[in-house]
Amino acid sequence: GENVEQHPSTLSVQEGDSAVIKCTYSDSASNYFPWYKQELGKGPQLIIDIRSNVGEKKDQRIAVTLNKTAKHFSLHITETQPEDSAVYFCAASNSGAGSYQLTFGKGTKLSVIP
Amino acid sequence: DSGVTQTPKHLITATGQRVTLRCSPRSGDLSVYWYQQSLDQGLQFLIQYYNGEERAKGNILERFSAQQFPDLHSELNLSSLELGDSALYFCASSVTGLAAIYEQYFGPGTRLTVT
Repeated sequence: GENVEQHPSTLSVQEGDSAVIKCTYSDSASNYFPWYKQELGKGPQLIIDIRSNVGEKKDQRIAVTLNKTAKHFSLHITETQPEDSAVYFCAASNSGAGSYQLTFGKGTKLSVIP
Repeated sequence: DSGVTQTPKHLITATGQRVTLRCSPRSGDLSVYWYQQSLDQGLQFLIQYYNGEERAKGNILERFSAQQFPDLHSELNLSSLELGDSALYFCASSVTGLAAIYEQYFGPGTRLTVT
């Protein structure tokens, strides 16, 4: 089955700096890669996603890049703000497998220092 | 607010007991997914239902079962509970899960504590 590795497990940045979180996946058939933000006591919130036919996607301060050859994808947050502090999860899914279950990375705890 | 609702928010019960967790998907969503989140295992897929039928199974124990009703709400039943079943249980829903991948939206979760 699919295996998703996520790094780093914790990340501290100064407010205004950029943050980058990286994930690798094992199943070359995976074709959908969402990112979720989870705040304390809440459920994961979808913040951006990318499909395998696209190399990069941007939404305001958030961007995701995908390298299918290397089987890795990354989340970039620019101009970080204290409210960006949360745990971020990457995930992968394969529509050809008949189910669209998400396989998650272990998460990255991002702390933005004011 | 994702539009996915889960009840109860918290559940405390004893070992050996049985509990039922409930999920109502977003309006119009036909697929429901259940995930378990624990400190050691992270977020793990348990089971998926599509329009009332089981679609896929993940790392779901035999003591656990689920169903999706005609009104599309879903219930996750956990029986013969063990201490290790203590975790957050999330429900997610998507528009569909057959021909293409659609975004999954998560509910607020149910925190289960087994004592």
